[in-house]
Amino acid sequence: DTAVSQTPKYLVTQMGNDKSIKCEQNLGHDTMYWYKQDSKKFLKIMFSYNNKELIINETVPNRFSPKSPDKAHLNLHINSLELGDSAVYFCASSLLAGGSGEQYFGPGTRLTVT
Amino acid sequence: AQKITQTQPGMFVQEKEAVTLDCTYDTSDQSYGLFWYKQPSSGEMIFLIYQGSYDEQNATEGRYSLNFQKARKSANLVISASQLGDSAMYFCAMREGQVAGGFKTIFGAGTRLFVKA
Repeated sequence: DTAVSQTPKYLVTQMGNDKSIKCEQNLGHDTMYWYKQDSKKFLKIMFSYNNKELIINETVPNRFSPKSPDKAHLNLHINSLELGDSAVYFCASSLLAGGSGEQYFGPGTRLTVT
Repeated sequence: AQKITQTQPGMFVQEKEAVTLDCTYDTSDQSYGLFWYKQPSSGEMIFLIYQGSYDEQNATEGRYSLNFQKARKSANLVISASQLGDSAMYFCAMREGQVAGGFKTIFGAGTRLFVKA
């Protein structure tokens, strides 16, 4: 059983379009994240939710809007896509309290904006 | 500002030999956590090992060990008996304190490891 799943795995779209990426975790974790990995493999946090509440919102254009309907799901909607949005987007989850807080990542969504 | 530095963009190691991947960090927090993740060419991110700032012993997980030198603010990953499947990108990361009820984890730029047969 997949612990953290993301759909779609690949997303090719044109500039100006709106798209969504979905993420689900079945680990019972209370915290979920979105990361962006650029072409140089640099991984940067975008958002973090704890129990459906936004707790980390890095300097991300407001074209990006996360939504957490419940603590097992964290979706990312992107409006008016730009060429610079092309990247791999990773969803991750962890336990906030207890344990080491290691994060479990989804397989990633490779977004290509043309 | 917190910072993770991985100074080796690429490393080569002969199969069955040990290799050390360097990581230094910068934080003013007393409580923090250090992690290593592996990213194979297939793209997924895999958690390898964790070291808490208050842990006195170096963490070990199978062939992975973390050489934690707190005074030097270094958290090097040692992989013993390298295997071809260890060829991947390796990221050092630090979780620092609490941010509005959550933790923020910062990742280094990564080191690409090549294992030669």
